[in-house]
Amino acid sequence: NAGVTQTPKFQVLKTGQSMTLQCAQDMNHEYMSWYRQDPGMGLRLIHYSVGAGITDQGEVPNGYNVSRSTTEDFPLRLLSAAPSQTSVYFCASSSGQYTGELFFGEGSRLTVL
Amino acid sequence: GDSVTQMEGPVTLSEEAFLTINCTYTATGYPSLFWYVQYPGEGLQLLLKATKADDKGSNKGFEATYRKETTSFHLEKGSVQVSDSAVYFCALSTVNFGNEKLTFGTGTRLTIIP
Repeated sequence: NAGVTQTPKFQVLKTGQSMTLQCAQDMNHEYMSWYRQDPGMGLRLIHYSVGAGITDQGEVPNGYNVSRSTTEDFPLRLLSAAPSQTSVYFCASSSGQYTGELFFGEGSRLTVL
Repeated sequence: GDSVTQMEGPVTLSEEAFLTINCTYTATGYPSLFWYVQYPGEGLQLLLKATKADDKGSNKGFEATYRKETTSFHLEKGSVQVSDSAVYFCALSTVNFGNEKLTFGTGTRLTIIP
C-alpha cells in the first residue's frame, strides 16, 4: 500500500550544495509532478511529467531539474541550493485521465542555510 | 490566468460547531473544483470534488456545491470533530491542449477544540 514515496523527509543544506529529492510511485501512473509549499502561497507547481521521457516546466521551475527515465520514478534535483529554496516539497501522481485527483507523498522539508 | 481565493485562516471552532470555509475562483472555460485536506505531517489528499455547475461533492460529512453564478465552492460541515483539524485547500483544474493544470488556493488551517 505504498502509493507515493518521497525521501528524505528532512534535509538541511548549505548554500551552493546540490541534492536530489527522490519520488517513487507504485500505481503505474503516467502523470507525476513536484510542488513546493510555502506559507501563504499554497502549492506551486515546479515541474511535471506526462510519461517516461517527457518533462515540462511548471510555475516555478528555476533552480530545479527533473528527469523521468521510468514510469515509477521522478527525482527533483537542486543543482546549487539557495535560501529561497527553503520549503516543503511534495511529489504527486495521477492516472492522467483528467480526474484532478492527485496522490501526494508525505513531503520533504528542506532547509537551506 | 486561473486563480483560487480562499478564506484566510486560521479558523478555530468548538467541537460540534458548524463549519464553512469560503472559496471563490477565476477560470476560463469550465473548470472542475476540488477540496483537498492535509492532516498534520501528511501529504494532501482529495476530500471531494465537483465537475460541473450545480454538482454537489460530499465525503466524510463535508459538502460543497459548484456555484457557477457566484464562482464559488464553499466547504461546509454540520458538526465538526477534533479529528477534522487540518489544513484545507480549494483547487480547480482546467484542461488546455490536452494538459490538465491544477491551481490551488493558499489553504485554510482549521483547529477544533474539544
